[in-house]
Amino acid sequence: EVQLLESGGGLVQPGGSLRLSCAASGFTFSNYAMSWVRQAPGKGLEWVSTITGSGGSTFYADSVKGRFTISRDSPKNTLYMQLNSLRVEDTALYYCAKWTTREWEPGTFDIWGQGTEVTVSS
Amino acid sequence: SSELTQDPAVSVALGQTVVITCRGDSLRDYYACWYQQRPGQAPLLVFHGENNRPSGIPDRFSGANSGDTATLTITGAQAEDEAVYHCNSRDNGPNLVVFGAGTRLTVL
Repeated sequence: EVQLLESGGGLVQPGGSLRLSCAASGFTFSNYAMSWVRQAPGKGLEWVSTITGSGGSTFYADSVKGRFTISRDSPKNTLYMQLNSLRVEDTALYYCAKWTTREWEPGTFDIWGQGTEVTVSS
Repeated sequence: SSELTQDPAVSVALGQTVVITCRGDSLRDYYACWYQQRPGQAPLLVFHGENNRPSGIPDRFSGANSGDTATLTITGAQAEDEAVYHCNSRDNGPNLVVFGAGTRLTVL
């Protein structure tokens, strides 16, 4: 069964840091680009970042550029997101999502995890 | 940056047909994808590309793309279709992917 399982969320003060993880199973992890998508409470979905299957290319939303870093460890089948300089507006449920191609090519998010909650508050 | 616009809410009588619309400049270059999100659950892909329905998604779900508009049609809506439907597409702007704000579907 194809599965994504996020972890690492929590409560952090503004300016703080967190590291999110997403454990993948049921598919050849290195064959697919992976992304983080977040959803603020009561709001819609917002794309945050994408990394290609090789890990050679990374992309970020303007709202997180310079503060968040996406990475992957293919032998461990795990996707990561380092969140630094967190702001109140980063409060959201963070989903890990699998893209349907290895490189950044036409495709879609075909598999989603259940999300991990990040709350930024003093 | 580009945005996708969706109606906040629509309703449909049980067994009837409903069309959910998504509009935006990015749809002139890229096909839309549609995700169903039930309360407390992760998004589920229900339709994407020119004409692609994932395995396990009922054939009452269909999509179409024309110009800057994409539509998701549910023919014969069922109670379990009550959910928020999000559209998205790739984009040529600074953000590679854009989402609509979601349409809440109520099945009466």
